[in-house]
Amino acid sequence: GENVEQHPSTLSVQEGDSAVIKCTYSDSASNYFPWYKQELGKRPQLIIDIRSNVGEKKDQRIAVTLNKTAKHFSLHITETQPEDSAVYFCAGRSNAGGTSYGKLTFGQGTILTVHP
Amino acid sequence: GAVVSQHPSRVICKSGTSVKIECRSLDFQATTMFWYRQFPKKSLMLMATSNEGSKATYEQGVEKDKFLINHASLTLSTLTVTSAHPEDSSFYICSARRIDIPFGEQYFGPGTRLTVT
Repeated sequence: GENVEQHPSTLSVQEGDSAVIKCTYSDSASNYFPWYKQELGKRPQLIIDIRSNVGEKKDQRIAVTLNKTAKHFSLHITETQPEDSAVYFCAGRSNAGGTSYGKLTFGQGTILTVHP
Repeated sequence: GAVVSQHPSRVICKSGTSVKIECRSLDFQATTMFWYRQFPKKSLMLMATSNEGSKATYEQGVEKDKFLINHASLTLSTLTVTSAHPEDSSFYICSARRIDIPFGEQYFGPGTRLTVT
């Protein structure tokens, strides 16, 4: 099945700096890669996603890049703000057959702290 | 749109009792719902995939007789933790995909905090 590795586990930045979180995946059939923000005790919230037919996607201060050949994708947050502090999870999903079909596999998570 | 609710949000039960958690898609129909478990400061671990009208598919290592899943309609799936033990204490989260967008976004419920004493 799919295996998603996420780094770093913790990330501390100053307000206004950029933050980058990286993930790698193992299943070449994976074609959907969402990123979630989760605050303590709350549900994961989708902040951006990318499909395998696109190399980059941007939404205001947030961008995601995907390198299918290397099987890695990254989240970029620019001009960070204290309210960006949360746990961020990457995930991968395959729509091909097999045991991973249709299921999201999550990375280990990154605790992002933005200092004012 | 695309709201998923869970009930209860928190539950405390005694060891040996059973607890039922409901997951509802409020404004869309979902053929597939997923149940996750999350320990403190850890990632979401998929427990099972629930398909309306058929048996759930459990992930390796998840006891199907302990975590009973029923997906009785296109808007409701339930997870019953049977004979709960303290090690079952966790944050349980469900998610659902829209029937009309089968490979689209998964919408997550707010989670249920289970504490077994």
